[in-house]
Amino acid sequence: DTEVTQTPKHLVMGMTNKKSLKCEQHMGHRAMYWYKQKAKKPPELMFVYSYEKLSINESVPSRFSPECPNSSLLNLHLHALQPEDSALYLCASSQTSEQFFGPGTRLTVL
Amino acid sequence: RKEVEQDPGPFNVPEGATVAFNCTYSNSASQSFFWYRQDCRKEPKLLMSVYSSGNEDGRFTAQLNRASQYISLLIRDSKLSDSATYLCVVNMAGTASKLTFGTGTRLQVTL
Repeated sequence: DTEVTQTPKHLVMGMTNKKSLKCEQHMGHRAMYWYKQKAKKPPELMFVYSYEKLSINESVPSRFSPECPNSSLLNLHLHALQPEDSALYLCASSQTSEQFFGPGTRLTVL
Repeated sequence: RKEVEQDPGPFNVPEGATVAFNCTYSNSASQSFFWYRQDCRKEPKLLMSVYSSGNEDGRFTAQLNRASQYISLLIRDSKLSDSATYLCVVNMAGTASKLTFGTGTRLQVTL
């Protein structure tokens, strides 16, 4: 299994809602990532988990809260988002420097 | 100067053509280099890792020139299905888990 899966595919939420994005990989990779991608821009790194511990937080606002329940799962909890947070949220995993991306969650904040 | 620079294109080429993309990077101590392909509204997919000796995968050839700090991707016999954005990606020295992405080069292959 060489897949990274993400749910949901699409999410529409209001600024007062709380929602979560989920990511799963079964490749035994040691590191998992969250990226944000706006249209016509490259992915921007948000968080890195290495061996289930948060190792990098790219100064992401606290309305985004990552969680790594185990080595296969990565969540991104969302609360009080702004319309400018609307984007494609990509999860990735890696064992070495090559990263493999999931299909993403397209988030719209109203 | 951007850490990873690419010509955004678009490159419009006919089917069967050969097309080459270049990418430059600023950090001479960078260690790993990749080309990713991204289709519209899809995730980036690893196309090739790029090695100092150069590497080839079918119609695709990647080269690394450390002295000049650039990476190239050559696509021979272009297919309509090659139409996508090609992202040059570098793993900067001292940042084992961080990839730095170029802004991408858009390729459109036409009949």
